[in-house]
Amino acid sequence: GQQLNQSPQSMFIQEGEDVSMNCTSSSIFNTWLWYKQDPGEGPVLLIALYKAGELTSNGRLTAQFGITRKDSFLNISASIPSDVGIYFCAGHPNTNAGKSTFGDGTTLTVKP
Amino acid sequence: DAGVTQSPTHLIKTRGQQVTLRCSPKSGHDTVSWYQQALGQGPQFIFQYYEEEERQRGNFPDRFSGHQFPNYSSELNVNALLLGDSALYLCASSLGLGMNTEAFFGQGTRLTVV
Repeated sequence: GQQLNQSPQSMFIQEGEDVSMNCTSSSIFNTWLWYKQDPGEGPVLLIALYKAGELTSNGRLTAQFGITRKDSFLNISASIPSDVGIYFCAGHPNTNAGKSTFGDGTTLTVKP
Repeated sequence: DAGVTQSPTHLIKTRGQQVTLRCSPKSGHDTVSWYQQALGQGPQFIFQYYEEEERQRGNFPDRFSGHQFPNYSSELNVNALLLGDSALYLCASSLGLGMNTEAFFGQGTRLTVV
């Protein structure tokens, strides 16, 4: 089945630093999604990408849909303590929004 | 605007028992998907319901079954529970089956099998 490799597994950064994480797939996706999950909560959608090459921003977050359709990255600029959490990439191949394949997440720790 | 709600939030079951988890979709949504999230991993797709029918299924055994009601709410049933079924079960709702629709997640049900 499809697999997503998400890296790095964890990051420890200082407040104010920029962060970059990425996701690669063994197969093509037509949609890439980035979620954040806080302890005891479900994932919350941060950014959705629908076209190869698309670059989309949401505040301090920027994500790109790779040209090959097999990768995506998420950047967070000027990190703050509330950025702490687990970030997941997810993708749909040719099916619908409900059936997403998720990576195993990047755990972000921000030191004040 | 009510988001996706799941119940119960936590429960503990004994190996071999059966469990039913419930989900009410976000207002205006008609499609419900269920995911299993083991500790330290990303969510894994179980199945999806639309128009009261199972539309897609992930790689889960028949012990996992579901139902969708006319009001779009949904249940996930797991029979003959195994220790390995311990996980956070997430429900996500969306509108229709199109590709460019966004799925919203509930807070999950934490199931512990002992």
